[in-house]
Amino acid sequence: GQNIDQPTEMTATEGAIVQINCTYQTSGFNGLFWYQQHAGEAPTFLSYNVLDGLEEKGRFSSFLSRSKGYSYLLLKELQMKDSASYLCAVMGAAGNKLTFGGGTRVLVKP
Amino acid sequence: EAQVTQNPRYLITVTGKKLTVTCSQNMNHEYMSWYRQDPGLGLRQIYYSMNVEVTDKGDVPEGYKVSRKEKRNFPLILESPSPNQTSLYFCASTPRRRGVTDEQYFGPGTRLTVT
Repeated sequence: GQNIDQPTEMTATEGAIVQINCTYQTSGFNGLFWYQQHAGEAPTFLSYNVLDGLEEKGRFSSFLSRSKGYSYLLLKELQMKDSASYLCAVMGAAGNKLTFGGGTRVLVKP
Repeated sequence: EAQVTQNPRYLITVTGKKLTVTCSQNMNHEYMSWYRQDPGLGLRQIYYSMNVEVTDKGDVPEGYKVSRKEKRNFPLILESPSPNQTSLYFCASTPRRRGVTDEQYFGPGTRLTVT
């Protein structure tokens, strides 16, 4: 099975940087996703990592270390609209089951 | 417009009254999936389908049924709903451009309350 852990909540100031960590223990691995979800809305795709290293996409970056079972999502130059939940999800080895962590709620303050 | 649609968006029903939540995608995606989202538990997969007539259980399939008779539709059926199925439900689809490891497109969600 899969076990995915991420902090429940984080608070940061507008313009700052926040790093959301995600650790996972899986029986198989075929990639890690990060999704953003605003309250009451559907999740939207942010990033996908299957190889070790950093993937950068504008203000958002995602890092993966498969040997450590660890990923982080880095949000730079925080804006008020970045206040949302951020979901870490792992795809199983067969590539058919996606398991989500509980999500990290990020609150951006002025 | 490429999208995943779900109906109804909101539903209040009573215990034991069969209901169906529809899901449809217009992107010709092969893979479709249903999730429920509950506070503190995150998104949990109920059922998924790799293609037409191919469905399989996710992590929390008890009390649910699905069918995939055509590529665009993947309805979720609750034969005898119970209060513990009160939740926010999301349907999602994936194009499988890179095998199966591709982003999922989510529908807008269905908020179900069973009294």
